[in-house]
Amino acid sequence: EAGVAQSPRYKIIEKRQSVAFWCNPISGHATLYWYQQILGQGPKLLIQFQNNGVVDDSQLPKDRFSAERLKGVDSTLKIQPAKLEDSAVYLCASSLGGRDEKLFFGSGTQLSVL
Amino acid sequence: GEDVEQSLFLSVREGDSSVINCTYTDSSSTYLYWYKQEPGAGLQLLTYIFSNMDMKQDQRLTVLLNKKDKHLSLRIADTQTGDSAIYFCAINRAGNMLTFGGGTRLMVKP
Repeated sequence: EAGVAQSPRYKIIEKRQSVAFWCNPISGHATLYWYQQILGQGPKLLIQFQNNGVVDDSQLPKDRFSAERLKGVDSTLKIQPAKLEDSAVYLCASSLGGRDEKLFFGSGTQLSVL
Repeated sequence: GEDVEQSLFLSVREGDSSVINCTYTDSSSTYLYWYKQEPGAGLQLLTYIFSNMDMKQDQRLTVLLNKKDKHLSLRIADTQTGDSAIYFCAINRAGNMLTFGGGTRLMVKP
């Protein structure tokens, strides 16, 4: 079974530039998450999708971050414009959406904002 | 609140047992999880426990849950160098969203 795919693996940009990350979840997984993991910290949830609807985006900085999951499969996360403090690993995860909520994570995109 | 706290670092010798601890504040969580993260990789689910259980064993892994004290632990028996990684505990909350602790870095010395 293929895992959660993310691209790019690494991205270096200057502040105020834009960047986009892509995620392809495990086939059949209805729920998709984007997490931000700052160096030395645990992952922090940015947004959760159930199929193509948003379940929770309360911690998404909506003035600069946006995410979509068209057709309920792939998802993109965009930052525009980026700030220095956005440097982190952006992890995508997916799950079947059951009560026990076992998440499967991709390898992440490491973003460096200079 | 939904704080999840872990100690930062643990060092053990190969063959010894490792115990990684986690405390949390949200008593309404129904599932509690342990994830492992190796360098440059995403998080891998190791095991999880339902909140009405006290203990769960899975090969070398033993999870203990003390709901009264809101304390979760992960014991790794016969720790190997390949177990060196960062271990995160996580709890679920309303809407099946997970809150992660800050992670415990386990170093296994040969």
